[in-house]
Amino acid sequence: KAGVTQTPRYLIKTRGQQVTLSCSPISGHRSVSWYQQTPGQGLQFLFEYFSETQRNKGNFPGRFSGRQFSNSRSEMNVSTLELGDSALYLCASKGLAGVSGELFFGEGSRLTVL
Amino acid sequence: DAKTTQPNSMESNEEEPVHLPCNHSTISGTDYIHWYRQLPSQGPEYVIHGLTSNVNNRMASLAIAEDRKSSTLILHRATLRDAAVYYCILRRYNNNDMRFGAGTRLTVKP
Repeated sequence: KAGVTQTPRYLIKTRGQQVTLSCSPISGHRSVSWYQQTPGQGLQFLFEYFSETQRNKGNFPGRFSGRQFSNSRSEMNVSTLELGDSALYLCASKGLAGVSGELFFGEGSRLTVL
Repeated sequence: DAKTTQPNSMESNEEEPVHLPCNHSTISGTDYIHWYRQLPSQGPEYVIHGLTSNVNNRMASLAIAEDRKSSTLILHRATLRDAAVYYCILRRYNNNDMRFGAGTRLTVKP
């Protein structure tokens, strides 16, 4: 069973640009969550999508957005990049309904903003 | 939001048991206690979770205090592969908005 796949694994952008990251969940999983990980702030929740609808949202500015497609694949977009957006962006999928469903994380997309 | 408190780091010898503590004094009745770990250069991976009773699985055991204000993750025999950052997280029912703290960095010495 293939795990959560995130692309690209590494990318470099400059301030003011925008970036789109992609996440393919485990087959059959309908919930996808996104997290930002930085050395200073640790792992922070961005948002969660379930059946193409955003179900939860963390405390991030509107420059951070996401969407989910009918095949459960998800993308997140960051516009007008800032130096502080440099981070590891992690995607996680969940299959079972309810709290007993464990989250399966991908290896992340490491974004560097210059 | 309910928060968790963990020691920044712990050390263990290989093949010895490890007890990783977590305090969550503001836990609410609907919060489940989840543990994840993150190995170097990888995303976090699920370890175990529980609500009120102690739990065991192939990876670890979770001991939950009677008042639920603290819990302990137990690795019965630490291996070098268990060296990771361990996160104790409170998760409300069916809510993926899990607030990760700084976690405990576990070092396993051969």
